[in-house]
Amino acid sequence: QLQLQESGPGLVKPSETLSLTCTVSGDSIDSSYYYWGWIRQPPGKGLEWIGSIYYSGSPYYYNPSLKSRVSISVDKAKNQFSLKLSSVTAADTAVYYCARHSGTVSTTPLSHWGQGTLVTVSS
Amino acid sequence: DIQMTQSPSTLSASIGDRVTITCRASQSISSWLAWYQQKPGQAPKLLIYKASTLESGVPSRFSGSGSGTEFTVTISSLQPDDFATYYCQQYSSSSPLTFGGGTKVEIK
Repeated sequence: QLQLQESGPGLVKPSETLSLTCTVSGDSIDSSYYYWGWIRQPPGKGLEWIGSIYYSGSPYYYNPSLKSRVSISVDKAKNQFSLKLSSVTAADTAVYYCARHSGTVSTTPLSHWGQGTLVTVSS
Repeated sequence: DIQMTQSPSTLSASIGDRVTITCRASQSISSWLAWYQQKPGQAPKLLIYKASTLESGVPSRFSGSGSGTEFTVTISSLQPDDFATYYCQQYSSSSPLTFGGGTKVEIK
């Protein structure tokens, strides 16, 4: 059974870089040819797609509203993929989810989700 | 960007009611639409994809319809487990993938 688990600091200072990792279990990133993505949800608000990456590391797609600050990468050896968001502000405070797309192209729904991790941006 | 607009934002209903939520896209997305259910403190769960195909394990009281720019999800007989927030999402374009603002289904 596929499981995804987010990990990383729960508190990040303004102007610093938010770094999260998603560990995948129950399947190998390297053998499944799927896209893997990050989505966030500010407290009490809706969902925002951050970006998605192919299992091989490329291609990848980022939300244009975050593109200048986002980087997503894959570590096949560790069966993980990661998110980095630079120059954070309080507006980046949110629950961050990792997820797997249901297919081998980025234009597919998100069928498997991690439980989410709250990241607060505050000094 | 393709904008997704859901209505209503909140819906009050009773057990056994038939409930319909609407999602409109700012441009045609064919049938590339998904619906998710999210309960408090939980991750979203995929319910429906390709506008009308139920994800495995989703109860048959859920149904989806529509194409182009207008879509609906219907719960034929609302159950206690269905009180949650529902989101639509277009995946016609990944630049960017976009969600609706959500519809909270609460107890009347």
